[in-house]
Amino acid sequence: AQRVTQPEKLLSVFKGAPVELKCNYSYSGSPELFWYVQYSRQRLQLLLRHISRESIKGFTADLNKGETSFHLKKPFAQEEDSAMYYCALRNAGGTSYGKLTFGQGTILTVHP
Amino acid sequence: ETGVTQSPTHLIKTRGQQVTLRCSSQSGHNTVSWYQQALGQGPQFIFQYYREEENGRGNFPPRFSGLQFPNYSSELNVNALELDDSALYLCASRLRDSRTDTQYFGPGTRLTVL
Repeated sequence: AQRVTQPEKLLSVFKGAPVELKCNYSYSGSPELFWYVQYSRQRLQLLLRHISRESIKGFTADLNKGETSFHLKKPFAQEEDSAMYYCALRNAGGTSYGKLTFGQGTILTVHP
Repeated sequence: ETGVTQSPTHLIKTRGQQVTLRCSSQSGHNTVSWYQQALGQGPQFIFQYYREEENGRGNFPPRFSGLQFPNYSSELNVNALELDDSALYLCASRLRDSRTDTQYFGPGTRLTVL
């Protein structure tokens, strides 16, 4: 069965410090991985996906198949990055193609 | 802001009752998924509809059922409500097989079962 694990429920850093939100997964196949973000009083929205290999709002994430990880990183955190972050894995095929399996989420707080 | 809307925003029911939640997908999206998000947890996949047919189901009992309509709106129905059904219910729509195939989430319906 596929699973996504985010080991930290809470993460606090100071503005300007590097931040890394951890995500590990298990999936018998070629995974599609995503990071979603939910800012206060806003809906869940896509932050980035591994196949795009892009940087959004200064965040990057590299898929490491050997370690089955997809950690989210930003070199210099900003106060506006404070939010709930979810790592998610998507079924690439089969009857539930497109189904997202989410981790439990990490609340990131960036202090001034 | 995406075009996915959900109604109602909040709902209070008692055990044993039935509830219908509604979702209006983004225009042109042919796939809608429903998720249950309990407090402090990540969203859990309930089921998915593609072109009005159920196309995948998570680990939820049959009393959770759904419909998708030709105009891409959809419903989630829950019968015989239990206390543990209290959660935020999210719908997400996407255009399957499109180049980006991104899921867009609605704001959710907060269901409280007393």
